[in-house]
Amino acid sequence: EIVMTQSPATLSVSPGERVTLSCRASQSVSTNLGWYQQKAGQAPRLLVYGASTRATDIPARFSGSGSGTDFTLTINSLQSEDFAVYFCHQYNNWPFTFGPGTTVDLK
Amino acid sequence: EVLLVESGGALVQPGGSLRLSCAASGFTFSTSSMHWVRQVPGKGLEHVSAINSNGERTYYGDSVKGRFTISRDNSKNTLFLQMGSLGPEDMAVYFCVSWNGRTLDYWGQGTLVTVSS
Repeated sequence: EIVMTQSPATLSVSPGERVTLSCRASQSVSTNLGWYQQKAGQAPRLLVYGASTRATDIPARFSGSGSGTDFTLTINSLQSEDFAVYFCHQYNNWPFTFGPGTTVDLK
Repeated sequence: EVLLVESGGALVQPGGSLRLSCAASGFTFSTSSMHWVRQVPGKGLEHVSAINSNGERTYYGDSVKGRFTISRDNSKNTLFLQMGSLGPEDMAVYFCVSWNGRTLDYWGQGTLVTVSS
C-alpha cells in the first residue's frame, strides 16, 4: 500500500497570504495525484487532478504541481472561504490512498 | 446537476450487517466506475471499495476484504455496499463517489454507520 504523508499538519495564515501545502508518496504515483478540500460537515470537493489540472469551476488561485513522489498545492492570495482541510489522494495503485490532511486555519 | 444520495446508515450491533445504497443522477451512471470512501468524523479518508461500470470487476481495501461486497444496478442507477461482521473500526461516514475516467470527482453527502451495543 502506498502511504501518503502531508506537511504541515496545520497551517495558520491570514487572508491574502500565499499558502503552500506538501504531499509525499512512499513510492512513485506518476501524476496520478489529486487534491481535495473539505469543510466541516461537508463532503470533500475535488480541486486538482493529474497533479496539476484544476477541476471544473475551481478558482485560478489554486494550483498543483509535482510528479513521482513529491507534490505541492499552492493557494495564492488565500480567501476566507479557503479555510478548510486539504487532502491529497493517489490513484496510481490500488488500494487508492489519502494523506492525513493539512488544516488551514486563521492566524 | 450530478447528485449522489447515500442511504442505509444506522446504528448496528457489533457483528451485525448493514446495506448501504447510493442513488445517482445527473450523469451516465452505467458507464462510470463507482467507489465507496469512508471517514471517521474528524479523521482521515479511507478508500473502502470500487466497482467498474458493468460490475464485473471489484476492489476492496484490506480492512474490509471478505466482509464487504460492492455491487450496482445500472437499470436503477444505484450503487450498493453490503457490510458484514461489523466492528467498532467500521464506524464512519460512508461516501459514495463517482469516477470520471481520470479521478474521483463527485461525492455524496455521506451516510453514518455506528457500531455499538
